[in-house]
Amino acid sequence: NAGVTQTPKFQVLKTGQSMTLQCAQDMNHNSMYWYRQDPGMGLRLIYYSASEGTTDKGEVPNGYNVSRLNKREFSLRLESAAPSQTSVYFCASSHYDPFGSYNEQFFGPGTRLTVL
Amino acid sequence: RKEVEQDPGPFNVPEGATVAFNCTYSNSASQSFFWYRQDCRKEPKLLMSVYSSGNEDGRFTAQLNRASQYISLLIRDSKLSDSATYLCVVNLDYGGSQGNLIFGKGTKLSVKP
Repeated sequence: NAGVTQTPKFQVLKTGQSMTLQCAQDMNHNSMYWYRQDPGMGLRLIYYSASEGTTDKGEVPNGYNVSRLNKREFSLRLESAAPSQTSVYFCASSHYDPFGSYNEQFFGPGTRLTVL
Repeated sequence: RKEVEQDPGPFNVPEGATVAFNCTYSNSASQSFFWYRQDCRKEPKLLMSVYSSGNEDGRFTAQLNRASQYISLLIRDSKLSDSATYLCVVNLDYGGSQGNLIFGKGTKLSVKP
């Protein structure tokens, strides 16, 4: 099993360009997440999808859109990139049982994005 | 405001040392607590959950004090391979929901020969 995979690993954009970060998991998890990690900051949740067909905003959703394409795939789109979106982006997935206890989040290797 | 505070370190210790990390959280409604480990330029990985009764996994011991809103991680007999950043994580939601995970900024540990 590959776990959680992300593409691309690195990307450089110019201000105003758009791009989509791809994420896929093969663990049959129902919940998926997008985080950003900036120097000196903790990971911050951008969007999440508790189950296929649903998406919700996290702490820092402005400037981003997401699509839960199917159970395996969850993409993050930057419509008009800004330098403030320079960051490391992590996708994660977990099993979600609303009546159960916490289930570990598994993270992908990250995408390092620079916006000039 | 939702916050998880950690000493950023770095903690520089010799092999074999015992090191303790502390974490405080501001939201008393926090439901569950965790320590994640993040190696340099890698993704975070779950190290252990933290229970009110305290829990141990080999050389690692985690403690939770809900009254003081305080979480700790103790590493005994440090190994070179323990060098990493340790993230304190708090879940504000009940049950399995994870849309409200709050990550601390992390404490960096460097274990020297």
